Amino acid sequence: SQELEQSPQSLIVQEGKNLTINCTSSKTLYGLYWYKQKYGEGLIFLMMLQKGGEEKSHEKITAKLDEKKQQSSLHITASQPSHAGIYLCGAAQFGNEKLTFGTGTRLTIIP
Amino acid sequence: DTGVSQDPRHKITKRGQNVTFRCDPISEHNRLYWYRQTLGQGPEFLTYFQNEAQLEKSRLLSDRFSAERPKGSFSTLEIQRTEQGDSAMYLCASSPFLQVNTEAFFGQGTRLTVV
Repeated sequence: SQELEQSPQSLIVQEGKNLTINCTSSKTLYGLYWYKQKYGEGLIFLMMLQKGGEEKSHEKITAKLDEKKQQSSLHITASQPSHAGIYLCGAAQFGNEKLTFGTGTRLTIIP
Repeated sequence: DTGVSQDPRHKITKRGQNVTFRCDPISEHNRLYWYRQTLGQGPEFLTYFQNEAQLEKSRLLSDRFSAERPKGSFSTLEIQRTEQGDSAMYLCASSPFLQVNTEAFFGQGTRLTVV
């Protein structure tokens, strides 16, 4: 089965600083999803990457998928308190309809 | 359409009792998923439906768990004879179809506490 490893597990960043979260897969990714979760709430879709080398941006968040399609990164520029939460990467396997999630990265933004 | 709706948001039950959760997906989404999330972990897949057909069940779904989607719209997840280990957030998601270019939309979850 596919396993996703996220790093770091937790991150404390001063407001205004940049940060990067990584997601590494044990198998080739056919679709990589990034979600954000506030504590005790549901998941909010951020971005989906499909092609090797693909990069997508939304506001101050940029996600990339490497050429080998086994690693993705999520980069936040000029972090804000609203960015705080748990970031989860999820992978869809070819021919498989379910998502496998990483354990998440807990992001804390300090003034 | 207000998105995926789950009810209740919170449930506290005594060990041994049965509980039932409901999920209303986004209308016209023919795929519906149930996940379970424990503290500090990512969501784990439980089962999914395409319309009213239950197409896959995780080994996490013991015989105390049953899920239905009778008319291909809302779904229910029932846990019989609850155990403390069942305490978790139960998340529902729906999608028109889950392929590599379509995301699943999640509800706010039902947090179950078994005491």
